Amino acid sequence: QQQVKQSPQSLIVQKGGIPIINCAYENTAFDYFPWYQQFPGKGPALLIAIRPDVSEKKEGRFTISFNKSAKQFSLHIMDSQPGDSATYFCAARRAGTYKYIFGTGTRLKVLA
Amino acid sequence: DTGVSQNPRHKITKRGQNVTFRCDPISEHNRLYWYRQTLGQGPEFLTYFQNEAQLEKSRLLSDRFSAERPKGSFSTLEIQRTEQGDSAMYLCASSLLNRDDYGYTFGSGTRLTVV
Repeated sequence: QQQVKQSPQSLIVQKGGIPIINCAYENTAFDYFPWYQQFPGKGPALLIAIRPDVSEKKEGRFTISFNKSAKQFSLHIMDSQPGDSATYFCAARRAGTYKYIFGTGTRLKVLA
Repeated sequence: DTGVSQNPRHKITKRGQNVTFRCDPISEHNRLYWYRQTLGQGPEFLTYFQNEAQLEKSRLLSDRFSAERPKGSFSTLEIQRTEQGDSAMYLCASSLLNRDDYGYTFGSGTRLTVV
């Protein structure tokens, strides 16, 4: 069963735009929420992550916003570049475990 | 050794054949994971090792699947009597005990096609 719902499925933005990818979860026992970036033919690479006691985290051009009461979190990419074109996955980790539940992915295309 | 290495990168096999994949984790990482990713989906957890001990297996891992991590170093994933539904990308990842906030480091995966 899908416990992490990700949207949109695909996204096209102009260079310099701010794509936003959203995820919603159902299980309150999740304690860690990473975002992964995947290029074709490669494995996912950790981009940025947040814990539920923090409402926002920034690393470079990437920002996670976290709304614990709504059980939602989102990824914002500032000043997006064509090199950001990839598939992005949100994930959630069950507390006390080491496995992640991944969303279905968002295919982002940034036009030059 | 700068990353997780997986071999082969691609494997095409006939239905009913057995296949084996290898994963070499980052050398100091004592945790190793296998995930499966089908087209248009996120990775799904298969199994997890801490050193040489297999501590958890997903229900996705049927009796035809077996994973080992002898001596706590590299790991192998074997699929016996392959079926077309086994076609997927098999991802290996590793991490360091007590450093979970750094997340996993994934390999580039082995893409399996069963014909």
